[in-house]
Amino acid sequence: DTAVSQTPKYLVTQMGNDKSIKCEQNLGHDTMYWYKQDSKKFLKIMFSYNNKELIINETVPNRFSPKSPDKAHLNLHINSLELGDSAVYFCASSQGAGSGNTIYFGEGSWLTVV
Amino acid sequence: GENVEQHPSTLSVQEGDSAVIKCTYSDSASNYFPWYKQELGKRPQLIIDIRSNVGEKKDQRIAVTLNKTAKHFSLHITETQPEDSAVYFCAASKANFGNEKLTFGTGTRLTIIP
Repeated sequence: DTAVSQTPKYLVTQMGNDKSIKCEQNLGHDTMYWYKQDSKKFLKIMFSYNNKELIINETVPNRFSPKSPDKAHLNLHINSLELGDSAVYFCASSQGAGSGNTIYFGEGSWLTVV
Repeated sequence: GENVEQHPSTLSVQEGDSAVIKCTYSDSASNYFPWYKQELGKRPQLIIDIRSNVGEKKDQRIAVTLNKTAKHFSLHITETQPEDSAVYFCAASKANFGNEKLTFGTGTRLTIIP
């Protein structure tokens, strides 16, 4: 049973396209995140939601729009894709809103923009 | 905001030897310091964490030490094995603050030489 699952796992798309990545967690956690890992392996938080409410919104272009229909789902929509958006996007979840809780990552979505 | 520096960026050790990875943080209010391990092509996973009320924590072959005065913490892996080869990330945060994020270090690629 996958705790944090995200789809698709691989995505190759052309510049200018719009794409979405979906994420679901079955851990009963209150908080969900999107992280971006670039080619140098740097792991940076993009967004955090607690019970469907946005609590962390890092300096991310507004082409990126997260949506949380309920506390078990957090989707990421990206408009007008650029070459620099190529990265691995990790969805994650944790119990509670505090940053002192274990973060459980999904398998990652490998996005390649050509 | 918090800044976490991690050294070295790459580390190769002979199987059976010890490995040490060091991190420094900037915000003296940070009180939660986890370490995540990311195997090639996989998700990051928590391996050990420490809170600011203790100076050392051990779990079998891995241990973490914290020096609050100097604002640095270290991961120690003893009797290294091939399966320890991975990228290791340290992180820091002010736990229990709802809008505080976990700030990751830049990662250390550890290679165990058989």
